[in-house]
Amino acid sequence: KQEVTQIPAALSVPEGENLVLNCSFTDSAIYNLQWFRQDPGKGLTSLLLIQSSQREQTSGRLNASLDKSSGRSTLYIAASQPGDSATYLCAVRYTEETSGSRLTFGEGTQLTVNP
Amino acid sequence: SAVISQKPSRDICQRGTSLTIQCQVDSQVTMMFWYRQQPGQSLTLIATANQGSEATYESGFVIDKFPISRPNLTFSTLTVSNMSPEDSSIYLCSVGDIWDYGYTFGSGTRLTVV
Repeated sequence: KQEVTQIPAALSVPEGENLVLNCSFTDSAIYNLQWFRQDPGKGLTSLLLIQSSQREQTSGRLNASLDKSSGRSTLYIAASQPGDSATYLCAVRYTEETSGSRLTFGEGTQLTVNP
Repeated sequence: SAVISQKPSRDICQRGTSLTIQCQVDSQVTMMFWYRQQPGQSLTLIATANQGSEATYESGFVIDKFPISRPNLTFSTLTVSNMSPEDSSIYLCSVGDIWDYGYTFGSGTRLTVV
């Protein structure tokens, strides 16, 4: 069974701290991995997309890495801000169908950045 | 990436009634996906909707409860029928990007059934 696990489930940090969110997946035959942000009661905003052939992607203060062999991805957030408070979801696409395929989601990490 | 307009953003409904959720995409897409997110949980795929054919439902979801329409390549609706409090969730539509195969989501519909 293809599963995605995120640790920790919740994280509270002071403003300015650098932090790492973890995502692990059980099947290394992934097509790509995507990190999303979700604010309470809202939809998902895509943060970073890593193809299976890539090792990392960066956008501003965010850096996501991918290690297929160990079944892990990390999302690094530098100099955290209160506005970063949200739930962060990791999602894996396992198939290569070009017309689209399901995503398998982790349970998410709820991040609180305290001023 | 595509931009999705999802309506309504939230609703409070009486049990036994039905609610139709709409998603409009600013570009033509082959497949659209409908997800449910129950309180405190992650996303679960309800069905995949292709234009011109019946939607494909995941295990545990049936067409009578969640009928889906896909009249063209930019629009889809999901109806939650004969609602009960257990249907209280956030419902989201999604499309895939044919260039980088990433996914875009609508802003979600927060449904409360009383």
